[in-house]
Amino acid sequence: NAGVTQTPKFQVLKTGQSMTLQCAQDMNHNSMYWYRQDPGMGLRLIYYSASEGTTDKGEVPNGYNVSRLNKREFSLRLESAAPSQTSVYFCASSEFQGSSYEQYFGPGTRLTVT
Amino acid sequence: GEDVEQSLFLSVREGDSSVINCTYTDSSSTYLYWYKQEPGAGLQLLTYIFSNMDMKQDQRLTVLLNKKDKHLSLRIADTQTGDSAIYFCAQTSGGYNKLIFGAGTRLAVHP
Repeated sequence: NAGVTQTPKFQVLKTGQSMTLQCAQDMNHNSMYWYRQDPGMGLRLIYYSASEGTTDKGEVPNGYNVSRLNKREFSLRLESAAPSQTSVYFCASSEFQGSSYEQYFGPGTRLTVT
Repeated sequence: GEDVEQSLFLSVREGDSSVINCTYTDSSSTYLYWYKQEPGAGLQLLTYIFSNMDMKQDQRLTVLLNKKDKHLSLRIADTQTGDSAIYFCAQTSGGYNKLIFGAGTRLAVHP
């Protein structure tokens, strides 16, 4: 099992450009998440999908859109990138595992917007 | 709103015990978690504790939960250089499958 995979690993964008971050999981989990990690601020939830066909806003959704393409894939789109979106982006997935909802994380995408 | 707070940095000598502390605001949290992040990697679950427990031990790790003070701690016994990482405390929020993370505590282990 690959677990949670993310592409790309690194990306540099100019202000105003758009891009889509891809995430896939092979653990048959229902729930998937997108977080951003900024120094000194921990992880903040951007969007999540409790199950295939549903998506909900998290703490910091402005400037982002998501698509739950199927049970495996959950993508994050930046329509018009801004320097404030420079961050490390993590995708995660989870399922109730008998006694807790452990979230499994991908390796992250490091995005720089100039 | 819901919040999780941690100190940002801890430095310990190899072989000593490390104690990382966390305070949280949502008293209805069912589970509280400790995640570890090594450089350049995603987060990995270290351990968790159910809200009706006071303590959980797992090999070198001991988690203590004080629900009255909303305080969670992680003790790592016999700390090794391989334990150097960022440790995140997290609480469940608005349902079992959403988490609120603290800012993370960077643990530095020196010889």
